[in-house]
Amino acid sequence: GAVVSQHPSRVICKSGTSVKIECRSLDFQATTMFWYRQFPKKSLMLMATSNEGSKATYEQGVEKDKFLINHASLTLSTLTVTSAHPEDSSFYICSASFDSGNTIYFGEGSWLTVV
Amino acid sequence: GENVEQHPSTLSVQEGDSAVIKCTYSDSASNYFPWYKQELGKGPQLIIDIRSNVGEKKDQRIAVTLNKTAKHFSLHITETQPEDSAVYFCAARRNYGQNFVFGPGTRLSVLP
Repeated sequence: GAVVSQHPSRVICKSGTSVKIECRSLDFQATTMFWYRQFPKKSLMLMATSNEGSKATYEQGVEKDKFLINHASLTLSTLTVTSAHPEDSSFYICSASFDSGNTIYFGEGSWLTVV
Repeated sequence: GENVEQHPSTLSVQEGDSAVIKCTYSDSASNYFPWYKQELGKGPQLIIDIRSNVGEKKDQRIAVTLNKTAKHFSLHITETQPEDSAVYFCAARRNYGQNFVFGPGTRLSVLP
């Protein structure tokens, strides 16, 4: 149980375009979802926390207008990287929780490459 | 705020040997400590966790110990296998609903 699916697993986009990454909880209702960014050989950096039906809470230093997060349903959250630049290339991971973040389950991650 | 340190950063063991990874935390109010395993190119997977009212928890070849006084907790893997090779992250959380703070990770290599 507690399966979280992320899509796409890999995506390449051109500079200046936008790309959307989806995070789905497959067998539970996720009241809270989290988005992380991970640089090579580094730990997870929390970008934002989203609760279903409300605006995301962004961590300090994360541009909310660049990284748009939507959590419109209890099973789906999306991260849209707008006007992507090569420095946005990274591994993005989501996690989901059915108990307000007490226990979290991670997705498989999405590799974004901006060329 | 909470700060989690993790040692060692890399660890190589022979297949069949044991591996121990240690994490220390700074916030004495932290009460939940999960461990995650991350294989190359994949998201972290929860492998074991422990709460502050327990000193030790075991699940087959994996165990976690917690020393609240010293504010450290450790992951123990016995009879290691090549498929245990991965990056392991510890984490700490203070209160229900608060965000996790992750350690920097340990890259474990199990040599056949």
